[in-house]
Amino acid sequence: DTGVSQNPRHKITKRGQNVTFRCDPISEHNRLYWYRQTLGQGPEFLTYFQNEAQLEKSRLLSDRFSAERPKGSFSTLEIQRTEQGDSAMYLCASGLRGSNEKLFFGSGTQLSVL
Amino acid sequence: DAKTTQPPSMDCAEGRAANLPCNHSTISGNEYVYWYRQIHSQGPQYIIHGLKNNETNEMASLIITEDRKSSTLILPHATLRDTAVYYCIVGNDKIIFGKGTRLHILP
Repeated sequence: DTGVSQNPRHKITKRGQNVTFRCDPISEHNRLYWYRQTLGQGPEFLTYFQNEAQLEKSRLLSDRFSAERPKGSFSTLEIQRTEQGDSAMYLCASGLRGSNEKLFFGSGTQLSVL
Repeated sequence: DAKTTQPPSMDCAEGRAANLPCNHSTISGNEYVYWYRQIHSQGPQYIIHGLKNNETNEMASLIITEDRKSSTLILPHATLRDTAVYYCIVGNDKIIFGKGTRLHILP
């Protein structure tokens, strides 16, 4: 059990650039979640997958954000035309459907948009 | 749209039991109560969850009132490493975090 892995750990980009983050969940987990967290706030739900199907996407999420999980294993989160307000920690979590949503989190990707 | 209410912060002396309260008066019958914690600069960590009955594991105990409208997380012998933000969450499909309780363990 290697845990949930996120890459990169840190990303600095200029406003207007596109960025992509990767999450590798625990291998047997079929559910994968993305969250965003800013300083002093709890993690904010963005979207989640069951296998390769994206089951829900937060209605607060801009259409500049897109996530994929093409083979039901790793996932990518892409932010197009980044804005300074996108600066945050992006967290990935995985879990097993039927385990009553016991989630395991990665250490996150810290995004700074200059 | 978190469904829980927690005090923003609490202190507890090292070695004592830390009792963290949570109100969830609008919980529905099939929703679980979950507790996670987040230590500075790390991702959240699962602690415990329950539906109706009290639960205990190696980390903590969860006491849920009979009407299920509130619960208490108990850390039996708090250490400095338990300093973290503790999140109480209710749900049955996805985990939605509120602001949590910032627990300070005092030496």
